[in-house]
Amino acid sequence: QQQVKQSPQSLIVQKGGISIINCAYENTAFDYFPWYQQFPGKGPALLIAIRPDVSEKKEGRFTISFNKSAKQFSLHIMDSQPGDSATYFCAAVGNAGNMLTFGGGTRLMVKP
Amino acid sequence: NAGVTQTPKFQVLKTGQSMTLQCAQDMNHEYMSWYRQDPGMGLRLIHYSVGAGITDQGEVPNGYNVSRSTTEDFPLRLLSAAPSQTSVYFCASSYSFGGWNSPLHFGNGTRLTVT
Repeated sequence: QQQVKQSPQSLIVQKGGISIINCAYENTAFDYFPWYQQFPGKGPALLIAIRPDVSEKKEGRFTISFNKSAKQFSLHIMDSQPGDSATYFCAAVGNAGNMLTFGGGTRLMVKP
Repeated sequence: NAGVTQTPKFQVLKTGQSMTLQCAQDMNHEYMSWYRQDPGMGLRLIHYSVGAGITDQGEVPNGYNVSRSTTEDFPLRLLSAAPSQTSVYFCASSYSFGGWNSPLHFGNGTRLTVT
């Protein structure tokens, strides 16, 4: 039973379009929500992260939107580029000493 | 700095064989962890360690053993390989459990096939 549910599993977007990946969680003890990006043949790497005391965080073309009451958060990639083609994982962790919990991943393909 | 180094990159085993996946980090991180990646399942935690001599089970620990004799190394042992253990395995290290200011640093993975 996944504690963090991610959708969609795969996504195809045209160059210049907006990519949107959604995640939902159940555990209200989670208090940190990172997104990891993984290129083929590589391990995941931290992309951007948010804490629940803010509703949005933006870094360049990447934005996290966070809805605490709905227990949902999403990643928006503006002006998507072919170089953004990768697998994206949302994740969550609390302060109880448990390790990071990941969503199921979204494979993004940006077509030129 | 090499970061997190995993060996081997690829491995094929027959059912019932045993092997050890190696993981080493040079960042002096206390936390180390092993994840397996399967399509649609994301990254699932197998075992983790919060320091030398201390290990604990994650979400999917059955069939795997770990030990942590040094800060740098965290090997993962498959005791008797099964086809269900066919997966890509990632080792990660971090200052803490992946929270604020403590991102996980991943190796490049070991792709394991059990026939």
